Parts: sequence; C-alpha cells; structure tokens
Amino acid sequence: SAVISQKPSRDICQRGTSLTIQCQVDSQVTMMFWYRQQPGQSLTLIATANQGSEATYESGFVIDKFPISRPNLTFSTLTVSNMSPEDSSIYLCSFTGSGTQYFGPGTRLLVL
Amino acid sequence: GNSVTQMEGPVTLSEEAFLTINCTYTATGYPSLFWYVQYPGEGLQLLLKATKADDKGSNKGFEATYRKETTSFHLEKGSVQVSDSAVYFCALSRSSGSARQLTFGSGTQLTVLP
Repeated sequence: SAVISQKPSRDICQRGTSLTIQCQVDSQVTMMFWYRQQPGQSLTLIATANQGSEATYESGFVIDKFPISRPNLTFSTLTVSNMSPEDSSIYLCSFTGSGTQYFGPGTRLLVL
Repeated sequence: GNSVTQMEGPVTLSEEAFLTINCTYTATGYPSLFWYVQYPGEGLQLLLKATKADDKGSNKGFEATYRKETTSFHLEKGSVQVSDSAVYFCALSRSSGSARQLTFGSGTQLTVLP
C-alpha cells in the first residue's frame, strides 16, 4: 500500500504566525483530505483537495484560515494562518485507496 | 445527515478480558463502516472495515459485523492484551462503496491492565 508522510511531525508556534504542513504520498492519488483532531476529541474533516482545482471546505472552515495547495497528484499542503491557541491540534492528511482511507502520522501543533 | 455514536470511555479492562465497544450510525444510503485505532503518540491506523450489510471485518483478533437492521458496527475482541491499549474510532463513509469523506465517532479510550 502507499506510504504517506507529513512534515513537520510537531511544532510549537507563537500566536499570530502561520504554519504550513506538507503531506507527501508515494503514489498518485486523486483526492486528498485534511483533518483536525483537537485535544481529546475525534477527527473533523477540514477540506477535500483535488489536483488542479480549489479545495472544498467543510462547514466551519474557510480558505482564508486554512489555505490548501494541491500542485500535483502526490503532494498537498495545509497552512494554518494567523494562529491562536485554539488551533492547537493534530492535523492529519489522508487519501483514499482500494476503498479505504489511509492517514498520515499527523502534525502535532501547539500554539502559545 | 450522517453521524456515528460510540460508547463513551474510558474503558479499563484486565488482560484477557472480553472487549465490546459499541458503535451505532445514522446514514443515508449504504455506507461502508470502519474501525480505526490510534496507539499512544502515533497516527491513525485502519483496524478493520465492512462494506455491506452482514459483512464481518476482522483483524488482529478484533471483529465487527455490519448490522443494517440495528445500524450497528460493534467492535469485539475475545481476549485483550496490554498492547491493545489505544483509542478506537468508529467511522462511516459518506459515499456508498468508498472511503471518501469519513465521519468519525468520538473515540473510545481503552486501557488494558496487566
């Protein structure tokens, strides 16, 4: 099965700054997804990213706060903009293959 | 809309005890159902899945049967080990027959004591 990796694995950031998270898959995939897992909670879908088109955002998430790029079929980035402590979460990317959704290891973000 | 309701945790068991984590769902159409596991400090891993009614998913001694009549997908294991300590998430796919756009339950923390 394909391998999916994320960078950075964790970061500590100051309020008001932005962080870009990278997600790399070792094979071409059509759709990639970005999820957020707030402390002690379940996963919430942020957006769906297709190559060559704008990402589709779920209710409660907007492009200005979470801009996403999808330059090719193996790579995507999620930026968390103008961060506040409420953005402290694990951010996970995922893709679908063979009827199953596979997840990256996650990026643990702490905003001070 | 689609939703998943999981048994609230945390659940604490002794080694070799029987485990059941309840999961019920609400969905339109015929979703696929999944159990994911998150070990401490690690990412989310697929544990098992079922794509149609009466299917049984199984892996590492865990089982779950897709029950359409009760809209349930309960996770069971006959004899848990300390290494099974993790958070377990039930999930369903929004699109029939695929794993796109998963809806997750709240997660159940399992601790197994030696």
